[in-house]
Amino acid sequence: DGGITQSPKYLFRKEGQNVTLSCEQNLNHDAMYWYRQDPGQGLRLIYYSQIVNDFQKGDIAEGYSVSREKKESFPLTVTSAQKNPTAFYLCASSIPGVEQPQHFGDGTRLSIL
Amino acid sequence: QQPVQSPQAVILREGEDAVINCSSSKALYSVHWYRQKHGEAPVFLMILLKGGEQKGHEKISASFNEKKQQSSLYLTASQLSYSGTYFCGTKRGNQGGKLIFGQGTELSVKP
Repeated sequence: DGGITQSPKYLFRKEGQNVTLSCEQNLNHDAMYWYRQDPGQGLRLIYYSQIVNDFQKGDIAEGYSVSREKKESFPLTVTSAQKNPTAFYLCASSIPGVEQPQHFGDGTRLSIL
Repeated sequence: QQPVQSPQAVILREGEDAVINCSSSKALYSVHWYRQKHGEAPVFLMILLKGGEQKGHEKISASFNEKKQQSSLYLTASQLSYSGTYFCGTKRGNQGGKLIFGQGTELSVKP
């Protein structure tokens, strides 16, 4: 079955440590997105990529980095510069185009040790 | 500009109806609706485009009022499975796939 796989489901970060969240899709979608979800604040866009080897900052990119070396993969690194990383992180993908829905992974919950 | 959803939360009994609104201060091209169960991935419900017709999905339908820059999601004869948080995501003009989501509306359906 086609879908989006995020791993790990739970992740813990120590102070000063970088961590990488994995997102893999086998839907053959060109566009991929990373969102951060905090209670009561909806989904906020961190980074998005419309095509391989290209990505753009979203609304809250500071303290995060991404790469898009393969169509099916869009890993997110939470760097030590992100001072409040505790959140639920969601990855999504879509066919480019305004009429196309986004398909979401099951998310990764990141906490600080 | 984040769209504003109302109400923030609503509690229903099975079989009751509800309306969730999503408003923007800017002109919109499309509105996407998603439902999320706690701790799970958001699930796509429907997309409404500027100039498009009202859409329906089982007993859940939605409309898009261009004059008011507002979309409304209608849930009729609610079922227990309708419980969750509903999000609208909006796009303004040609901005590719980027969605701006509202803060969500938490819907609880009780027996």
